Amino acid sequence: KAGVTQTPRYLIKTRGQQVTLSCSPISGHRSVSWYQQTPGQGLQFLFEYFSETQRNKGNFPGRFSGRQFSNSRSEMNVSTLELGDSALYLCASRETGNTGELFFGEGSRLTVL
Amino acid sequence: GENVEQHPSTLSVQEGDSAVIKCTYSDSASNYFPWYKQELGKGPQLIIDIRSNVGEKKDQRIAVTLNKTAKHFSLHITETQPEDSAVYFCAATSSGYSTLTFGKGTMLLVSP
Repeated sequence: KAGVTQTPRYLIKTRGQQVTLSCSPISGHRSVSWYQQTPGQGLQFLFEYFSETQRNKGNFPGRFSGRQFSNSRSEMNVSTLELGDSALYLCASRETGNTGELFFGEGSRLTVL
Repeated sequence: GENVEQHPSTLSVQEGDSAVIKCTYSDSASNYFPWYKQELGKGPQLIIDIRSNVGEKKDQRIAVTLNKTAKHFSLHITETQPEDSAVYFCAATSSGYSTLTFGKGTMLLVSP
């Protein structure tokens, strides 16, 4: 099976712009979650989607949003970018049921100038 | 919400030694405690996990212990090898497998 695929892998934006990141989960995985990773704050939960519905949301401002499509692919969007949004954004997918393992992609590294 | 503290932040050992990483959590309702390993340039990968109804779990050279009363859990790696060098994260959750609260990570360096 192919792993979790995230695109783009690297991108550079300027303050005030917006960005959209994409995630294709492992085939058959319906749960997709997003995490922000920074050196100072570590890994922080952004949101989780399941069957096109946001199931949980972390403590991030409304500038961070996401969605999931019927094929389980997910996108996250950050509007009005700030310097502090520079981070590695990780997507993870999970099988449903009582299996806790998250399968992470390699991430999208966003730099905001 | 949940808060997870992880120590040490860096750990250097010689090949063949044991390594121990410790985490404490704040939410007594937390019931799932995974450990992830992140190699350079890659996403985190689950190496072992434990649920709150179990006190210890082993998988070859890796073991995890959980003390619910003290609200702490630990990762033990025996007979360390250079390929064990990576950043290790503990995590906890009471609200679903996907909504993890992570510790800040431990950079483990195993010298040959």
